[in-house]
Amino acid sequence: GAGVSQSPSNKVTEKGKDVELRCDPISGHTALYWYRQRLGQGLEFLIYFQGNSAPDKSGLPSDRFSAERTGESVSTLTIQRTQQEDSAVYLCASSTGLAPYEQYFGPGTRLTVT
Amino acid sequence: AQSVTQLDSHVSVSEGTPVLLRCNYSSSYSPSLFWYVQHPNKGLQLLLKYTSAATLVKGINGFEAEFKKSETSFHLTKPSAHMSDAAEYFCVVSPITGTASKLTFGTGTRLQVTL
Repeated sequence: GAGVSQSPSNKVTEKGKDVELRCDPISGHTALYWYRQRLGQGLEFLIYFQGNSAPDKSGLPSDRFSAERTGESVSTLTIQRTQQEDSAVYLCASSTGLAPYEQYFGPGTRLTVT
Repeated sequence: AQSVTQLDSHVSVSEGTPVLLRCNYSSSYSPSLFWYVQHPNKGLQLLLKYTSAATLVKGINGFEAEFKKSETSFHLTKPSAHMSDAAEYFCVVSPITGTASKLTFGTGTRLQVTL
């Protein structure tokens, strides 16, 4: 079946502009996660959605970052007034929301802020 | 609380020789453990998972890992490295019970395979 998809695959934007990144999870997966991966580094958790529960936003680095999810489908991650330090690969993952909670990752969106 | 430590940031092996990537974990609960692989400019792919069944877990591409509770380890091994194994590998821990489902990722081990 189809895996997690993300768009765009690459995004170049000017400092100060807003960007929206999109994630389509695996159908039927109730849990959705966003991560940030800076060059040569590990994954940094950003936000987690589980069904209709309030999202866990504990990883968002600043109020310039926000995310929404429509039901149990598409999610968008929005970064306002982008800064150069926002340059990274943004990874989305989804899971069934049931133990053992293994996550399936999309290919990522590479964001470059110039 | 849970954490995972990957003991080597970089491992280099010759093609055809064994691979050992080390991982130690700590968890307040009985954990699930995973290894993910990330090839250059690709997303993360699940290699294998441990969920309290057999302690020796076999994954894709000839990799396996052994859960050792007494040593709190979950090392990844492969008998014979291939050039295509060159990638970044992440050890990951998750509680097997409870409501939290955030995975905790290690910092990664970069595997280099030389001729």
